[in-house]
Amino acid sequence: DSGVTQTPKHLITATGQRVTLRCSPRSGDLSVYWYQQSLDQGLQFLIQYYNGEERAKGNILERFSAQQFPDLHSELNLSSLELGDSALYFCASSVGTGGGETQYFGPGTRLLVL
Amino acid sequence: DQQVKQNSPSLSVQEGRISILNCDYTNSMFDYFLWYKKYPAEGPTFLISISSIKDKNEDGRFTVFLNKSAKHLSLHIVPSQPGDSAVYFCAARSIQGAQKLVFGQGTRLTINP
Repeated sequence: DSGVTQTPKHLITATGQRVTLRCSPRSGDLSVYWYQQSLDQGLQFLIQYYNGEERAKGNILERFSAQQFPDLHSELNLSSLELGDSALYFCASSVGTGGGETQYFGPGTRLLVL
Repeated sequence: DQQVKQNSPSLSVQEGRISILNCDYTNSMFDYFLWYKKYPAEGPTFLISISSIKDKNEDGRFTVFLNKSAKHLSLHIVPSQPGDSAVYFCAARSIQGAQKLVFGQGTRLTINP
């Protein structure tokens, strides 16, 4: 158990809909990262937040957005969903943003868009 | 553009023998490398890491070797155990890329009794 929690575990929805994925980092961690793993793909970095502020952005679609709240939990919002958005979405956390920090991953949310 | 490559999608090793997982990268700005292990229906679990200023790091049965000139790293598991059967991901971080990790495609390791 990494200490990172994600809800829900599974999500089935239809094209065009909007969903929210939630992540609680490990106690004491200020950084939260979101990754997407599509079928037969490695994990792709989406976005990072540190202490409530956006820190880095990867290949995140404009239809996707995220935020980190004062209690440090984070939400990833996916809207106007398409079939290709079906994937595993992982959240990770680390203490800060310093070099050499390990990111600890949650169990993931499996999203299926029908 | 696949900056981190794991060219072997799968590897099968006998229990007790050495497992060697390989990873190649193209970005010379990568300064920190990590290996993660992933079981089905779970998130990746951190295994071991290495900074670009080192060429070897050991932790129990796991050793990571880094060859900067060849842009190659490998993970050695000795001796291999049935519980090591999982997908292994190599990841790298660039000094210019904030804290984002760039992952390889993964190698599925199967340890046979």
